[in-house]
Amino acid sequence: EVQLVESGGGLVQPGGSLRLSCAASGFTFTRYWMHWVRQVPGRGLVWVSRINTDGTNTNYADSVKGRFTISRDNAKNTLYLQMNSLRVDDTAVYYCARAEGGPYEFDIWGQGTMVTVSS
Amino acid sequence: DIVMTQSPDSLAVSLGERATINCKSSQSVLYSSNNKNYLAWYQQKPGQPPKLLIYWASTRESGVPDRFSGSGSGTDFTLTISSLEAEDVAVYYCQQYYDSPYTFGQGTKLEIE
Repeated sequence: EVQLVESGGGLVQPGGSLRLSCAASGFTFTRYWMHWVRQVPGRGLVWVSRINTDGTNTNYADSVKGRFTISRDNAKNTLYLQMNSLRVDDTAVYYCARAEGGPYEFDIWGQGTMVTVSS
Repeated sequence: DIVMTQSPDSLAVSLGERATINCKSSQSVLYSSNNKNYLAWYQQKPGQPPKLLIYWASTRESGVPDRFSGSGSGTDFTLTISSLEAEDVAVYYCQQYYDSPYTFGQGTKLEIE
């Protein structure tokens, strides 16, 4: 079964750090660009970051640039999002999603992991 | 950044009737070298992640019922549900994947009238 499973969410204080993971299974992970998308509960979807198939090229939304780092371990079929200097407005459900080999549609999404930034 | 604007924000349609959602991009998402529109539609039900419905503006994802269709080119796009079923109640998003940041529309909430 093709699956993406996020983990690592939780409650963190402003200024703190958190690392999210997204474990991929059931498909050839190295064929896919991977993305992070977030959603404040009850609000819309916001793209956060993407990484290419071998991890050599990344992009970020302006709102997270310089604070978040996307990476992947193709040997472990796992995507990561290192989040530093967290702010209250980073509070959201974070989804990982895949796109085959380039700038394409996001065809498989994980169930999401909740990140709450609060004192 | 490419801004995606959906209309309406919410929509109530009777069962069996047609539902139409519009999406406008602030610049063209048509890539001239392959004549493809880099535009997708997603459906999100409460408590669930988004689900891909349509890509390349008009190609239905495998397993998606044929009552869902996408149309449009350049900057103006439409998602149509030909005959609304109760299970179609959801929020629908368009997204451009033409260029980073890969922006989404604000969403359209579809309800039963």
